[in-house]
Amino acid sequence: DSGVTQTPKHLITATGQRVTLRCSPRSGDLSVYWYQQSLDQGLQFLIQYYNGEERAKGNILERFSAQQFPDLHSELNLSSLELGDSALYFCASSPRWGEQYFGPGTRLTVT
Amino acid sequence: AQSVSQHNHHVILSEAASLELGCNYSYGGTVNLFWYVQYPGQHLQLLLKYFSGDPLVKGIKGFEAEFIKSKFSFNLRKPSVQWSDTAEYFCAVNADNYGQNFVFGPGTRLSVLP
Repeated sequence: DSGVTQTPKHLITATGQRVTLRCSPRSGDLSVYWYQQSLDQGLQFLIQYYNGEERAKGNILERFSAQQFPDLHSELNLSSLELGDSALYFCASSPRWGEQYFGPGTRLTVT
Repeated sequence: AQSVSQHNHHVILSEAASLELGCNYSYGGTVNLFWYVQYPGQHLQLLLKYFSGDPLVKGIKGFEAEFIKSKFSFNLRKPSVQWSDTAEYFCAVNADNYGQNFVFGPGTRLSVLP
């Protein structure tokens, strides 16, 4: 157990819908990273937050957004969902640069 | 853009065999390198990391990796694998001009036969 929690574990939704994935980092970790893992694209970095502020952006689509709240939990919002958005979404928390602790992931299925 | 390649998609070994998983990256500047492991049904865990200094890095569970700058490589090794090493292994790179951006390789699935 890494100490990072993600909810929900599984999510099934229809195309065009919007979902919110939640991540609670390890106690004391200020930094949260979001990743998407799909069969064809592998593990892709989406976005990083540090203490409530966006720090880095990777291959995140405009339909996706994220935020980190004062209690340091983070949410990833995915809208206008397409079949190709079906994937595992991981968050990782980090106490210092170079050290990431991954959560169990949320498996999103878009039908 | 920087990229990371891993030589093998799936490696099958018998217990006690030696392991070497290849990882190459495309960026020519300063890099920080990582290997992660994902056991079946579990989250990714950090095996080892290289920031600077001794290019031979030792990690957890008997794994080590060697950074060879001239070859843009960071291969993972273990002298004797166990059935419990069955997992997916990911190499990741962070380059100095990419800030917090980590680029992961496609992963190598290792199956160790008892």
